Amino acid sequence: GQQVMQIPQYQHVQEGEDFTTYCNSSTTLSNIQWYKQRPGGHPVFLIQLVKSGEVKKQKRLTFQFGEAKKNSSLHITATQTTDVGTYFCAGPGYGNQFYFGTGTSLTVIP
Amino acid sequence: EAQVTQNPRYLITVTGKKLTVTCSQNMNHEYMSWYRQDPGLGLRQIYYSMNVEVTDKGDVPEGYKVSRKEKRNFPLILESPSPNQTSLYFCASSPFIGYNTDTQYFGPGTRLTVL
Repeated sequence: GQQVMQIPQYQHVQEGEDFTTYCNSSTTLSNIQWYKQRPGGHPVFLIQLVKSGEVKKQKRLTFQFGEAKKNSSLHITATQTTDVGTYFCAGPGYGNQFYFGTGTSLTVIP
Repeated sequence: EAQVTQNPRYLITVTGKKLTVTCSQNMNHEYMSWYRQDPGLGLRQIYYSMNVEVTDKGDVPEGYKVSRKEKRNFPLILESPSPNQTSLYFCASSPFIGYNTDTQYFGPGTRLTVL
């Protein structure tokens, strides 16, 4: 079946360093969404990308959708302790199923 | 306040004892879904529903049942729970726009332990 993988699984950074997580789908996606889950919380929507090659920014967060619409990335500039959590990419699959990536857990060391 | 509610939040049960986890949303969303979250595996979709009386299997439907008799409610039923169903469960809802789902709104989660 369809698979959505993310790397790395874990990332520890010093506060102020940059962070990037990569998302790869086994099939082409019509759109890709990113979610953030704080420790002990539930996933919260961050953004949706639809167009091939699309780049969107939210303050220190930059999201990219690959040209082939099979991969995506999230880059955080100058991490802060408030960025701690697990970041998931997600996208629709066959017959309106929805697939989430395996997630990247970010720890920010003050 | 727009929200997705789940009950119970925590549940410890024994193998074979039927249980139901309720999910309700007040946003009039068409699309509702159940996920389970396990370490290293992300969120995996169990079942989803595109509208009342329309349900479909997700990636990991074995051992689960759902129903969608009303638009706002989407209960998850475990007829005979087993220890491998110990997990964190999330219900989510979303407006259904065209052929693509929109933002998914998640409930707070239900942590289930099956002994």
